Amino acid sequence: EVQLVESGGGLVQPGRSLRLSCAASRFTFDDYAMHWVRQAPGKGLEWVSGISWNSGSIGYADSVKGRFTISRDNAKNSLYLQMNSLRVEDTALYYCAKAYSGSTAAFDYWGQGTLVTVSS
Amino acid sequence: AIRMTQSPSSFSASTGDRVTITCRASQGISSYLAWYQQKPGKAPKLLIYAASTLQSGVPSRFSGSESGTDFTLTISCLQSEDFATYYCQQYYSYPWTFGQGTKVEIK
Repeated sequence: EVQLVESGGGLVQPGRSLRLSCAASRFTFDDYAMHWVRQAPGKGLEWVSGISWNSGSIGYADSVKGRFTISRDNAKNSLYLQMNSLRVEDTALYYCAKAYSGSTAAFDYWGQGTLVTVSS
Repeated sequence: AIRMTQSPSSFSASTGDRVTITCRASQGISSYLAWYQQKPGKAPKLLIYAASTLQSGVPSRFSGSESGTDFTLTISCLQSEDFATYYCQQYYSYPWTFGQGTKVEIK
């Protein structure tokens, strides 16, 4: 069974940075696009960012563009999200999600999430 | 960004009911539409992709359809395990977007 394990969340002050990681296993990581999706407490899902299998196509939500950077290391089966200039409104549970193909596809597997809290 | 508008935002239903949730895209998205189910404290689960293709392992009481920019998720015979929140998502163009969610509660 596919496994996605997020890490790197925590409590951080506004304006600071945080780097999330997602360790993937039990599938051929470099065949699939990967994404980050977040969910603020008690709110709906918000797509944050996505990256194709070869990093050739990358997208960001308008709310994080210019502040967050997605990347992947196929040799390490890992996905990352560098989050800079964090804001209170970035507080959320951040999920790593696997797409069912290498580029444009829905998410067939999700991790359990890592919680990011931005507060002074 | 493409806006996805779900309706209703919530409703109550009984086991055995046939229920329908609608999602409207603010512009054409072809069939790049997925439906997810989320239960409290759990990660979302993919139900349907490409507007009408049932994900492997998902019960056949779930179905999806499309008409232009309107998309529908139907549960033919609601089961107790189906009480949850449902989200649509477009993956036609960046930034990808979700609908605001529809919570299905027990009547």
